[in-house]
Amino acid sequence: DQQVKQNSPSLSVQEGRISILNCDYTNSMFDYFLWYKKYPAEGPTFLISISSIKDKNEDGRFTVFLNKSAKHLSLHIVPSQPGDSAVYFCAASGVYNFNKFYFGSGTKLNVKP
Amino acid sequence: DARVTQTPRHKVTEMGQEVTMRCQPILGHNTVFWYRQTMMQGLELLAYFRNRAPLDDSGMPKDRFSAEMPDATLATLKIQPSEPRDSAVYFCASGLTLGQGDNQPQHFGDGTRLSIL
Repeated sequence: DQQVKQNSPSLSVQEGRISILNCDYTNSMFDYFLWYKKYPAEGPTFLISISSIKDKNEDGRFTVFLNKSAKHLSLHIVPSQPGDSAVYFCAASGVYNFNKFYFGSGTKLNVKP
Repeated sequence: DARVTQTPRHKVTEMGQEVTMRCQPILGHNTVFWYRQTMMQGLELLAYFRNRAPLDDSGMPKDRFSAEMPDATLATLKIQPSEPRDSAVYFCASGLTLGQGDNQPQHFGDGTRLSIL
């Protein structure tokens, strides 16, 4: 039973345009959400996070939006660059555990030059 | 930059053999996680430790998998006997959490790519 879902396995975007990656979750106890980026043959690297007390967090070209009522979060990358091409995982955690994350299955982003 | 170190990076072995994967968490981190990445399941949590004590290993096939932390600088994941369906990339991650609900990003190693023939 997947509690965090990324329904788009892949996304292709032109360089300079916006990339929007989506993630849905089912557990209303989740209160901390993250995005990780993964290049081939490397481990996932932390990109950006958001607490449930916020609905937006921004870091440079990356912005994460959280819609608690819809149990949905999204990652916006503006402008997209070829170096952003990677697999993006969203993850969620709740107040009731010690940093245990539930991961989505990932979305492969391809940014075309 | 401090990093999580995993060894070996690649392992090819025959079915039935014992496999041991090792992880050196980032110094000072008190939580350690083992994940398995497969095409269908994405990142699947196998086990995790806090202050070297196992908190949850419900994601792990108990009959053949075992996870331990002999000391704060070493975590191991063993498979005995190994089977072809165990072929995957296994990641270790570490983090620092001060208590329940204190969520911080986990930091991942580069994984062990395991192939069981």
